[in-house]
Amino acid sequence: SQQGEEDPQALSIQEGENATMNCSYKTSINNLQWYRQNSGRGLVHLILIRSNEREKHSGRLRVTLDTSKKSSSLLITASRAADTASYFCATDGPGGSYIPTFGRGTSLIVHP
Amino acid sequence: EAGVAQSPRYKIIEKRQSVAFWCNPISGHATLYWYQQILGQGPKLLIQFQNNGVVDDSQLPKDRFSAERLKGVDSTLKIQPAKLEDSAVYLCASSSIGQGVYEQYFGPGTRLTVT
Repeated sequence: SQQGEEDPQALSIQEGENATMNCSYKTSINNLQWYRQNSGRGLVHLILIRSNEREKHSGRLRVTLDTSKKSSSLLITASRAADTASYFCATDGPGGSYIPTFGRGTSLIVHP
Repeated sequence: EAGVAQSPRYKIIEKRQSVAFWCNPISGHATLYWYQQILGQGPKLLIQFQNNGVVDDSQLPKDRFSAERLKGVDSTLKIQPAKLEDSAVYLCASSSIGQGVYEQYFGPGTRLTVT
């Protein structure tokens, strides 16, 4: 079974707009990570947020974590066509183990 | 720094045949993962090694899948015999776990088609 589930499944926006993706999970975690996957570069790690952190930034990316709601969001600001990809959240396993579990992903299309 | 290497990149076999995939992790990374990614889904962990020991293989179909990591470096994943539902991309990843942080570095994957 999958721990994290991304929402929406698909997102289509225009270049310059912001894109927000959400991830919900079921059991307690130590860390949550976001990854990007496109055909050109494969799966690439974007950002990691620990369970005691609430917000983290990396360039145009902003990740928030709400452990009380068991959810995280990834915001991409001023999107570019090159951001077109699938985005996955990955949580460590139930019970605090460090076995990573990926969701089904959000497919983002950014139109130039 | 060289990335995670995988081979072959593509493989087409008939059902009931066997196939093997190879992975060379980033130098110094103690942890190695094999994932199966079916089209339209996220990667599913098959097996996780810490050095040459198995940390988790609960989702590995052990009747047909096997994996080993000799000397704690390279790893091979084998399927014997293959089924149609094994068609997927097989991803290898490695990480250097320290203080609970485990950013994973992924290889390009092997796309398997079973006909």
